[in-house]
Amino acid sequence: NAGVTQTPKFQVLKTGQSMTLQCAQDMNHEYMSWYRQDPGMGLRLIHYSVGAGITDQGEVPNGYNVSRSTTEDFPLRLLSAAPSQTSVYFCASSQLRGLTGELFFGEGSRLTVL
Amino acid sequence: AQKVTQAQTEISVVEKEDVTLDCVYETRDTTYYLFWYKQPPSGELVFLIRRNSFDEQNEISGRYSWNFQKSTSSFNFTITASQVVDSAVYFCALTRPRREGSGNTGKLIFGQGTTLQVKP
Repeated sequence: NAGVTQTPKFQVLKTGQSMTLQCAQDMNHEYMSWYRQDPGMGLRLIHYSVGAGITDQGEVPNGYNVSRSTTEDFPLRLLSAAPSQTSVYFCASSQLRGLTGELFFGEGSRLTVL
Repeated sequence: AQKVTQAQTEISVVEKEDVTLDCVYETRDTTYYLFWYKQPPSGELVFLIRRNSFDEQNEISGRYSWNFQKSTSSFNFTITASQVVDSAVYFCALTRPRREGSGNTGKLIFGQGTTLQVKP
């Protein structure tokens, strides 16, 4: 039972570098999203997708890009990393049909930008 | 606008004590869903409960219980006879139901989290 898989779990970047956080789910969930967790601020939505080919911005999208070419994968790209993007990132997925559903989270990816 | 407030930043109790984590929410929707998630020191987020706005019955699951009161817009979480393994960050969250074609994807709005430390 893989669920939601995120890689890498840890990453250190220098300011200005780019990287991609990978997220894959094997539950055939239509809905996928990326959150960042910062101390004292809970989790904030970065981007989300309701299906392949469809993405939209959340609360804090600046500095991040996403794409959804398949149902399973939802990578998060940092184009030019900044120290303010130091955070723990969580990918989540859920079924879209019905009123609402439990969000299944990955284990998180801890990113440090120097 | 939707908002979730967890006013307790940190709580420390001794094992076997009962502890209540507060959650107050704001929403203009008549239909909504409330959640509690647990984040143990290992970092993953674990789903605990979902409650819809039309069901005000309290729920009990083992040592965990939840008190939902629409009159005070609160969804409090009580751990009875706490254990060291209950030490974690607990998040309360709110969402409106998804409706196809409305553009509403039912994203979760999280509170700031409450760190619970249970000492032996």
